[in-house]
Amino acid sequence: EPEVTQTPSHQVTQMGQEVILRCVPISNHLYFYWYRQILGQKVEFLVSFYNNEISEKSEIFDDQFSVERPDGSNFTLKIRSTKLEDSAMYFCASSVTSGRDDYEQYFGPGTRLTVT
Amino acid sequence: AQTVTQSQPEMSVQEAETVTLSCTYDTSENNYYLFWYKQPPSRQMILVIRQEAYKQQNATENRFSVNFQKAAKSFSLKISDSQLGDTAMYFCAFMKHGSGNQFYFGTGTSLTVIP
Repeated sequence: EPEVTQTPSHQVTQMGQEVILRCVPISNHLYFYWYRQILGQKVEFLVSFYNNEISEKSEIFDDQFSVERPDGSNFTLKIRSTKLEDSAMYFCASSVTSGRDDYEQYFGPGTRLTVT
Repeated sequence: AQTVTQSQPEMSVQEAETVTLSCTYDTSENNYYLFWYKQPPSRQMILVIRQEAYKQQNATENRFSVNFQKAAKSFSLKISDSQLGDTAMYFCAFMKHGSGNQFYFGTGTSLTVIP
């Protein structure tokens, strides 16, 4: 069964550094998402992406964050200048469409980001 | 804004027994979807069951069923004949139709099935 994959599984970076988290969504999916989960807290929505543009973003997704689908298979999340509070598990997800019967989101295993 | 509440951080159940995980949500929307996702240890979240708000009939998937009470904004998950492989974190999630398909998650319930 097709799966969403994410790399790396764990990323350690120093405060102020840029990081890029990578995701390969399921190949026939059209919607892509990033979520994050700070340890002990809820999984929080960051951004959704469709047709090469951001569809919706949360308040968390400020100017330090950006997303890109550079080559038709990868979907990346960039954090320009990491802060300690960016330490979290980041989940990528994808879905087929936003149609009435195809709204299930398939999640990747996550990337644990640790900012020191 | 939508909120999802799971009031049981941890639960345990004997193998073969039945357990119910609770979830409540708050929304002013009328057209939305509800989900239960399962996250086994060190594994990714997978969908367990989903419910469309416009459907009155409760969803079932084999040993998993929901009790959807729209007026009470309650969406509990019942697991029958619990198996060791059911040990996982369970997340309740809400999605309103349209607007980028944003999911709102609860804090999760950690379920342990005891042999």
